[in-house]
Amino acid sequence: DAMVIQNPRYQVTQFGKPVTLSCSQTLNHNVMYWYQQKSSQAPKLLFHYYDKDFNNEADTPDNFQSRRPNTSFCFLDIRSPGLGDAAMYLCATSRDHREGDTQYFGPGTRLTVL
Amino acid sequence: AQTVTQSQPEMSVQEAETVTLSCTYDTSESDYYLFWYKQPPSRQMILVIRQEAYKQQNATENRFSVNFQKAAKSFSLKISDSQLGDAAMYFCACNQAGTALIFGKGTTLSVSS
Repeated sequence: DAMVIQNPRYQVTQFGKPVTLSCSQTLNHNVMYWYQQKSSQAPKLLFHYYDKDFNNEADTPDNFQSRRPNTSFCFLDIRSPGLGDAAMYLCATSRDHREGDTQYFGPGTRLTVL
Repeated sequence: AQTVTQSQPEMSVQEAETVTLSCTYDTSESDYYLFWYKQPPSRQMILVIRQEAYKQQNATENRFSVNFQKAAKSFSLKISDSQLGDAAMYFCACNQAGTALIFGKGTTLSVSS
């Protein structure tokens, strides 16, 4: 089945130790998104790629970076995680970036910062 | 700016009963899309139903239907014949051209047998 896969499902890191989260998709979608979701809150968009074009949300901290080496993969890098970065990180894809395009979500990576 | 408001943090329903989750939104655009997403505990978020603003007819997907009131900017989700598997957090979301998908804060639905 075509899908969005995130690895790892659970990640534990230490305060200030860089961490990378991975997302892959078999949908061949043009757009990939990264969201941060804190407990019982709405997902918050961090950034998205339209093909190779990177689009950062205005309020996304510089501590968060992303890479998309090819259509299938996208990575979220947190350069110096703080305690406030502990959250669920969701990857999503959509065929295009038009207003009606459905986003397909991965299962998420739960990040714990010690 | 777009906003999406879900005024019910928690709702509960008994199996086989019907429940309605509320959502209001604010947008200055005339053309936009509205969505309901379901996020079960420890499982991925999936699309439940989608509504195009320029379509008057309310969208339906099996047991799920919406009541879309464009003038009132209201987009409620009705779940009929509720099942235990419907227990989840439900997010209402709005999307218009050139903007990100904006989510409400979610409603946690519990289903009892």
